[in-house]
Amino acid sequence: DSGVTQTPKHLITATGQRVTLRCSPRSGDLSVYWYQQSLDQGLQFLIQYYNGEERAKGNILERFSAQQFPDLHSELNLSSLELGDSALYFCASRTGNSGNTIYFGEGSWLTVV
Amino acid sequence: DAKTTQPPSMDCAEGRAANLPCNHSTISGNEYVYWYRQIHSQGPQYIIHGLKNNETNEMASLIITEDRKSSTLILPHATLRDTAVYYCIVRLFTFAGGTSYGKLTFGQGTILTVHP
Repeated sequence: DSGVTQTPKHLITATGQRVTLRCSPRSGDLSVYWYQQSLDQGLQFLIQYYNGEERAKGNILERFSAQQFPDLHSELNLSSLELGDSALYFCASRTGNSGNTIYFGEGSWLTVV
Repeated sequence: DAKTTQPPSMDCAEGRAANLPCNHSTISGNEYVYWYRQIHSQGPQYIIHGLKNNETNEMASLIITEDRKSSTLILPHATLRDTAVYYCIVRLFTFAGGTSYGKLTFGQGTILTVHP
């Protein structure tokens, strides 16, 4: 158990809909990362937050957005969903300033039908 | 972050040591070598990391060559549960105003299959 909690574990939704994935980082971790893993793309970095502020952006679509709240949990919002958005979405966290290791949650399976 | 090269797949017999190589010839002096593994559709699991010295923990050993251009992850007694995709990642760890950055960039990794 990495200590990173993601909900929901599985989600099935229709094209055009909007979903929110939630992540609770390990206790005390200030950095949160979001990754997408689809069958043909491998693990792709989406976005990073540190203590509520966006720190780095990867290949995140404009239809996707994220935020980190004062209690440090994070949400990834996916809108106008397309079939190609079906993937595993992972959240990871790391302690700020001195922590070197990033720990991943078990992911949220999103299926768009 | 420096690019890494890993063999796409490897086999290992149960109980034997699994030695997974990784080339990172363009690594710079302040880049760390990290190893993660992913067991079928689970979240990537941290294994070990190092800068220039060899490292060992309860899961594995990491051997980094003196010129730091390559490394080897060693699982001393592989079990069937070690079957997974193993990722070698070179990561720049930067500080800015006391805040550390440093996302992980995953390649294709090595599919390790441990057989009875």
